[in-house]
Amino acid sequence: ILNVEQSPQSLHVQEGDSTNFTCSFPSSNFYALHWYRWETAKSPEALFVMTLNGDEKKKGRISATLNTKEGYSYLYIKGSQPEDSATYLCALGDTAVGSARQLTFGSGTQLTVLP
Amino acid sequence: GAGVSQSPRYKVTKRGQDVALRCDPISGHVSLYWYRQALGQGPEFLTYFNYEAQQDKSGLPNDRFSAERPEGSISTLTIQRTEQRDSAMYRCASSLVGTGGSYEQYFGPGTRLTVT
Repeated sequence: ILNVEQSPQSLHVQEGDSTNFTCSFPSSNFYALHWYRWETAKSPEALFVMTLNGDEKKKGRISATLNTKEGYSYLYIKGSQPEDSATYLCALGDTAVGSARQLTFGSGTQLTVLP
Repeated sequence: GAGVSQSPRYKVTKRGQDVALRCDPISGHVSLYWYRQALGQGPEFLTYFNYEAQQDKSGLPNDRFSAERPEGSISTLTIQRTEQRDSAMYRCASSLVGTGGSYEQYFGPGTRLTVT
């Protein structure tokens, strides 16, 4: 069983603040790291998929970095808005688990942006 | 275009009954995945298909759970002799390409299963 950890578990920030949170994972058989945005009562929505050490991806005010050697990824949100409030899930694809297509999800970081 | 759809959206069943959950992936998506999600937790992998071939079923909890995708499109997850511990949100996802783990997965709305 892979241990994919996300921290913090929950986070409250003021509108306009920038914030970041962490996904930690075992790096020995790394294949891919996915980030999803999940609003309650909706489906998880894909944000990024990263495969290479040093990858940086950006979508609007949201960006992510990847360090496969030390086993972590950061998700950054610049100038948080209330509509960014959601749970952010990371998921690991690992070649030692099933087929590497078997994503192992973390429990998520629940972000609340206060107006 | 239409996203991933699942039916039914909600299912309440009595313990011991069989249930069949349906997933219709995005047209043209080769890979289809089934997940189970407990309240407040991330999805937990159950199984996945490339076209009609079941590639990995290591996440299925026991032999009461089975899945098929006979024509490489719509998939059905079947739970036989349901138990209360089977109650969860069952999500389906699809992705474009059959090889490699690096492609985005697009999730459906889920089926909320309640076993009474």
